[in-house]
Amino acid sequence: GENVEQHPSTLSVQEGDSAVIKCTYSDSASNYFPWYKQELGKGPQLIIDIRSNVGEKKDQRIAVTLNKTAKHFSLHITETQPEDSAVYFCAANRPNNSGGSNYKLTFGKGTLLTVNP
Amino acid sequence: KAGVTQTPRYLIKTRGQQVTLSCSPISGHRSVSWYQQTPGQGLQFLFEYFSETQRNKGNFPGRFSGRQFSNSRSEMNVSTLELGDSALYLCASSLIVRGRWASGNTIYFGEGSWLTVV
Repeated sequence: GENVEQHPSTLSVQEGDSAVIKCTYSDSASNYFPWYKQELGKGPQLIIDIRSNVGEKKDQRIAVTLNKTAKHFSLHITETQPEDSAVYFCAANRPNNSGGSNYKLTFGKGTLLTVNP
Repeated sequence: KAGVTQTPRYLIKTRGQQVTLSCSPISGHRSVSWYQQTPGQGLQFLFEYFSETQRNKGNFPGRFSGRQFSNSRSEMNVSTLELGDSALYLCASSLIVRGRWASGNTIYFGEGSWLTVV
């Protein structure tokens, strides 16, 4: 089955700096890669996602890049703010046998991001 | 629009008991999936339901079961609770949209039910 590796497990940055979190996946059939932010005591919140037909996607201070050949994707957060502090999870999803979504996500282990004021 | 709603938020059970957790998906979402989150194993897929049918199942023992009702609401049950079942149980919902690149891939999570087994 799919395996997703996420690095680093912890990341500490100064406010205003950039943060980068990297993930690799094992199943070349995976075609959907979401990123979730989880704050203490809350459920994961989708912050950005990318499908395998594009290489990059941006949403304000957040961007995700995908390298299908190398089977890795990264989350980039620019101009970090203290409220960005949370655990970030990457995930991968592969199609079902009919080519549609199977609605099953395989997650990385998470990255604890701390943004210091 | 209300998000994914899970009840109860917190509960404590004794080993050997059973527990039922409830989930109401986002209005219009017909796929409901469940995940277990623990510090050691992270987020792990339990099962996914659509149209009252389980379509996908993770690697969990038969003590973990679920069901979905005609209004898309879902419940999961854990029988004969063990200490290791202590976890955050997350429900997620998604639209069912045809096509490989369908936006229906987007999966939204609820706040979770915190289960402690003592």
